[in-house]
Amino acid sequence: QSALTQPASVSGSPGQSITISCTGTSSDLGGFNSVSWYQHHPGRAPKLMIYDVSNRPSGVSNRFSGSKSGNTASLTISGLQAEDEADYYCSSHTSIPEVVFGGGTKLTVL
Amino acid sequence: EVQLVESGGGIVQPGESLRLSCAASGFTFSRYWMHWVRQVPGKGLVWVSLIKSDGTTITYADSVKGRFTISRDNAKNTLYLQMNSLRVEDTAVYYCARDGVGSGHDFDSWGQGTLVTVSS
Repeated sequence: QSALTQPASVSGSPGQSITISCTGTSSDLGGFNSVSWYQHHPGRAPKLMIYDVSNRPSGVSNRFSGSKSGNTASLTISGLQAEDEADYYCSSHTSIPEVVFGGGTKLTVL
Repeated sequence: EVQLVESGGGIVQPGESLRLSCAASGFTFSRYWMHWVRQVPGKGLVWVSLIKSDGTTITYADSVKGRFTISRDNAKNTLYLQMNSLRVEDTAVYYCARDGVGSGHDFDSWGQGTLVTVSS
């Protein structure tokens, strides 16, 4: 099972919006509405930001939003803040092996 | 507050074994599916294994199947990962994670991770 495809890096200035894409196949991301996004500051525990494509867990800022079209999911962060600088990973449920992650995207806030 | 605390990492030689533990608190451990996820330093996250709340369903990534064994002790609120026949490519930070409320598998709580280094 190959990892989902994410851009290696994205950047934006404070206050701007950015979008991170996550591309899979019909066997994983395209076939299930179970796409999640995680924020990971190195050295800290990853944090769930979006689940089931577009749902935000309690406590996650509404600046974070998710969507999906076909085999591609997207995470949009609006009103960029310095604290958003981190690595972001998408994941999807699959039939085998159960879960597949993207390769990760490093977000730089300029 | 949900807490997951991994332990048991260390430095071992190829072919050796190691057992990781994940102590859970702040929630009813026995009600949740649990996972192990790993991250090679500088690389991305990779799912390793899951176990159902009652231990009756277990699955593994192909890369660890036959070498790793996931288990849990609901009386002790602890998740385990027995790792045998370790390889250099198993070197990673290992995280335990709680399965969330989503329709598939999402991880709504994570530990800080424990580093496993396999080197001769």
